[in-house]
Amino acid sequence: DAKTTQPTSMDCAEGRAANLPCNHSTISGNEYVYWYRQIHSQGPQYIIHGLKNNETNEMASLIITEDRKSSTLILPHATLRDTAVYYCIVRGISGAGSYQLTFGKGTKLSVIP
Amino acid sequence: SAVISQKPSRDICQRGTSLTIQCQVDSQVTMMFWYRQQPGQSLTLIATANQGSEATYESGFVIDKFPISRPNLTFSTLTVSNMSPEDSSIYLCSVSRYLSGANVLTFGAGSRLTVL
Repeated sequence: DAKTTQPTSMDCAEGRAANLPCNHSTISGNEYVYWYRQIHSQGPQYIIHGLKNNETNEMASLIITEDRKSSTLILPHATLRDTAVYYCIVRGISGAGSYQLTFGKGTKLSVIP
Repeated sequence: SAVISQKPSRDICQRGTSLTIQCQVDSQVTMMFWYRQQPGQSLTLIATANQGSEATYESGFVIDKFPISRPNLTFSTLTVSNMSPEDSSIYLCSVSRYLSGANVLTFGAGSRLTVL
């Protein structure tokens, strides 16, 4: 798996956009970028994933650079309920072990009132 | 996405005993996994629960310590055997689904285990 690097923690004001960066400079051509989050005392929650195009769903947007070596997860209007640890994961889509995900330490996002 | 129910949600156990955690999914799924999250740490994959055959364990995890059953496509159990305080963790069941060209995971709420 390609290794990812995320800041340990970030703060964001309530109502503002939260931009969470992730570096994955060793990503290979068939590897997707996944984002999950874990709110305290809950199981991780899937947010979004992408290969090379920018993606948007009801939860967030994912911006992937043209060289695919980094990405940014955007929560457009952060609320207090978005306070969580956010995990950026890179994984291939086929072959042995393609279903499993390896979780790093993630970014602890604190949304401030 | 699938809804996953785990039981128990939490338990306090004595050293040397064993505990079985149940995972029930509201739909049939092919791939089911068990993760462990030790205090203050990230998630670590324990094993893939295979229906009709032995589970596939990750490095550092063995069947004698973490026996897994998968009798059908909606249910699995993980047993933590001969527990020690180092086994105090959250144990999470997850399933995979295909979405927009990739496999994404849905997790249960977890079973928080404290070993005294």
